[in-house]
Amino acid sequence: AQSVSQHNHHVILSEAASLELGCNYSYGGTVNLFWYVQYPGQHLQLLLKYFSGDPLVKGIKGFEAEFIKSKFSFNLRKPSVQWSDTAEYFCAVGEGGSYIPTFGRGTSLIVHP
Amino acid sequence: EPEVTQTPSHQVTQMGQEVILRCVPISNHLYFYWYRQILGQKVEFLVSFYNNEISEKSEIFDDQFSVERPDGSNFTLKIRSTKLEDSAMYFCASSEGLPGISEAFFGQGTRLTVV
Repeated sequence: AQSVSQHNHHVILSEAASLELGCNYSYGGTVNLFWYVQYPGQHLQLLLKYFSGDPLVKGIKGFEAEFIKSKFSFNLRKPSVQWSDTAEYFCAVGEGGSYIPTFGRGTSLIVHP
Repeated sequence: EPEVTQTPSHQVTQMGQEVILRCVPISNHLYFYWYRQILGQKVEFLVSFYNNEISEKSEIFDDQFSVERPDGSNFTLKIRSTKLEDSAMYFCASSEGLPGISEAFFGQGTRLTVV
């Protein structure tokens, strides 16, 4: 079965620091890749997604993610975080055929002002 | 902006009781989902629903669970006889088109506590 690993469960950064959150998946076929964010007290929102094409995907709020097929990875990056980026971040992978995304455990990001 | 709404936001129930979690998906969406997240664990897919029937379900979605779209606007998840391990945050989502291709919009979740 598909599995999605987010290795960093808790990340604490200061404002202006750079961010990279890891995401690896196990499925070897065609995948659709997503990053969702959940701000405190709010619902899950889509940050960005990859279906095909340029493996470097730009999302909202300055986030980007890079699909590296050979590494089965889809890491999320932001060059300079803000206090308002404090949230839970979920990687999700939809495998070809099913399309239902499988979610990772999530990474809790705390940004100190 | 249209959004998925879920009620109640919190539900406390006794073990063995039936609970119904309610969701109002976005009105022109055709695909509906339930996910859950046990505290400290990953978000897990439960079931997807399209054209008034279940299109896919996970191993978690056993005979204790059922879904229904009773009136064309609500989408409900029923747990027939709750167990302690059913305590979790339950998220409803909907999408306009095929899951994984169209963006899924999530509700804020219902926190279910079984005591």
